[in-house]
Amino acid sequence: EEQLVGSGGGLVQPGGSLRLSCAVSGFPFSSRSMNWVRQAPGEGLEWVSYISSSSSVTYYADSVRGRFTISRDNSKKSLYLQMNNLRAEDTAVYFCARGGAIADRAMPTWGQGTLVIVSS
Amino acid sequence: DIQMTQSPSSLSASVGDRVTITCRASQGISNYLAWYQQKPGKVPELLIYAASTLQTGAASRFSGSGSGTDFTLTISSLQPEDFATYYCQQYDSDPITFGPGTKVDVK
Repeated sequence: EEQLVGSGGGLVQPGGSLRLSCAVSGFPFSSRSMNWVRQAPGEGLEWVSYISSSSSVTYYADSVRGRFTISRDNSKKSLYLQMNNLRAEDTAVYFCARGGAIADRAMPTWGQGTLVIVSS
Repeated sequence: DIQMTQSPSSLSASVGDRVTITCRASQGISNYLAWYQQKPGKVPELLIYAASTLQTGAASRFSGSGSGTDFTLTISSLQPEDFATYYCQQYDSDPITFGPGTKVDVK
């Protein structure tokens, strides 16, 4: 069974930093691209960032580019999101999601989400 | 960026109804479109990718069609477990973008 377990969320002040992690099992992590997607309370889905299987390609939403950094450690089967200079509008549940085997940018499996609250 | 719109934003339906949701892209995206279902407090689930390919494990009452800018998700016979919010997602180009969602609730 595929599992993605997100962690690292919490309450942080504006301007602060957090590092999210996503531990995976049940699929060939080193062969799959990964994404972070967020959902503000009561709102829709917003894609945040993408990393290819080998880490050679990364993409970011305009709203986070320059503040967030996606990375992965294939030996540890883990995905990360370093979030700096956090703003109130970054408050959301952050999901990690893997890319598809056929359609790389569709997301067939998602983690349970970790809540980030940016507030003073 | 490619903007995705969905219509309607919400709809009320009964068990057994045929339900159709429309998604439109601001520019052509070929068939690089996915559909997700999300229930309250739950994780999104992929239903359809490549506009019309049913994801393994998704119920066969779900179907997708379209290409270019106009797409539809059809539920052939609505079941109690289908009351949820549905999102389309384009993956033709970055940034990936989602539609605003269509909430399907009980009539």
